[in-house]
Amino acid sequence: QSALTQPASVSGSPGQSITISCTGTSSDVGAYNYVSWYQQHPGKAPKLMIYDVSNRPSGVSNRFSGSKSVNTASLTISGLQAEDEADYYCSSYTSSSTYVFGTGTKVTVL
Amino acid sequence: EVQLLESGGGLAQPGGSLRLSCAASGFTFSTYAMSWVRQAPGKGPEWVSAISNSGSSTYYADSVKGRFTISRDNSKNTLYLQMNSLRADDTAAYYCAKKWELDYWGQGTLVTVSS
Repeated sequence: QSALTQPASVSGSPGQSITISCTGTSSDVGAYNYVSWYQQHPGKAPKLMIYDVSNRPSGVSNRFSGSKSVNTASLTISGLQAEDEADYYCSSYTSSSTYVFGTGTKVTVL
Repeated sequence: EVQLLESGGGLAQPGGSLRLSCAASGFTFSTYAMSWVRQAPGKGPEWVSAISNSGSSTYYADSVKGRFTISRDNSKNTLYLQMNSLRADDTAAYYCAKKWELDYWGQGTLVTVSS
């Protein structure tokens, strides 16, 4: 199972909106609405930000939103803040009853 | 408060074995599927394995199938990962996580495979 494809880096100024893409195939992202997004700060465990494409867990800011079109899922961070600077990973359920993560995107707040 | 505490990591020789444990608290352990995810130094996370809430169904990444075994003891609120035939590329921090969505993660335990 190949990793989902994400841009290596995305940057934005405070207050701006950025979008991170996550491209898979018809056997993972395109087949199921089981796409999640995780935020990871250095030295910390990943934190769930979005599950089932567009649902936010309790406690996650509504500045984070998710969507999906065909084989590509997206995470949008609006009103970018300094604390949003981190690595972001998508993941998807697959037709093999496994999960696959994305290659990861480093978000920089300028 | 949900807490997941991994243990059992350490240094193993190639071809050796280790057994990881994950003690869970703060939720009804027997209600939820559980997962193991690993992250090699400087790399992204890699899903390793998952187990249904009852333990009757297990799932593995191709990279560990036939070498690793996931199990759970609901009476002890503990998740396990038995790792055999370890290889250098198994070196990583191993995290246990709650549910398929991985909504809570432990702090991880480091496994180093080296001679």
